[in-house]
Amino acid sequence: GQQLNQSPQSMFIQEGEDVSMNCTSSSIFNTWLWYKQDPGEGPVLLIALYKAGELTSNGRLTAQFGITRKDSFLNISASIPSDVGIYFCAGQGGGYQKVTFGTGTKLQVIP
Amino acid sequence: DSGVTQTPKHLITATGQRVTLRCSPRSGDLSVYWYQQSLDQGLQFLIQYYNGEERAKGNILERFSAQQFPDLHSELNLSSLELGDSALYFCASSVSPTGRGPYEQYFGPGTRLTVT
Repeated sequence: GQQLNQSPQSMFIQEGEDVSMNCTSSSIFNTWLWYKQDPGEGPVLLIALYKAGELTSNGRLTAQFGITRKDSFLNISASIPSDVGIYFCAGQGGGYQKVTFGTGTKLQVIP
Repeated sequence: DSGVTQTPKHLITATGQRVTLRCSPRSGDLSVYWYQQSLDQGLQFLIQYYNGEERAKGNILERFSAQQFPDLHSELNLSSLELGDSALYFCASSVSPTGRGPYEQYFGPGTRLTVT
């Protein structure tokens, strides 16, 4: 099935560093969602975006809905060890179209 | 706690068998989604139900089926199980698709299926 391209696929960073990841699609989306998944657990919703250009923050997390509506970005500032996990983006094109999930970015934080 | 419950948490069974996974959505949510996640893989959408009716279908095998009951809980049936069906199966729910934020999906803790 269709999947969003998410990059980077994985990253190792030092505690305290900022992190950026992005998601791109060939299709236009009306909604972008960002999730975090801890090992063996279900994904947890972090941020939801509904309008092109929208910038939304949730604590140290900031996400943006790209102007073209084909991409989205997630930034994590001042990373901490508990930020470790897999981050998924998800897009939805409107109506009853299904939500499409990205391939995931695996984040490792080195203390 | 997302409010979505899934049972059982773990399931071990043999090839050729049939199992049923159960999901209860968050209170007030009418849509239920099922996903499969194999080891170190992304989330593969299987199927969506809205208020008892099938709404969207993804990469769901013919050996798999699902339904949503009048009380809105859902069951995913997996039959003629193969080794490759071993995976985490997640259920998610979302609010009625009207108004702002209908597509925010809240995930349950998952059922880990092991086929031996």
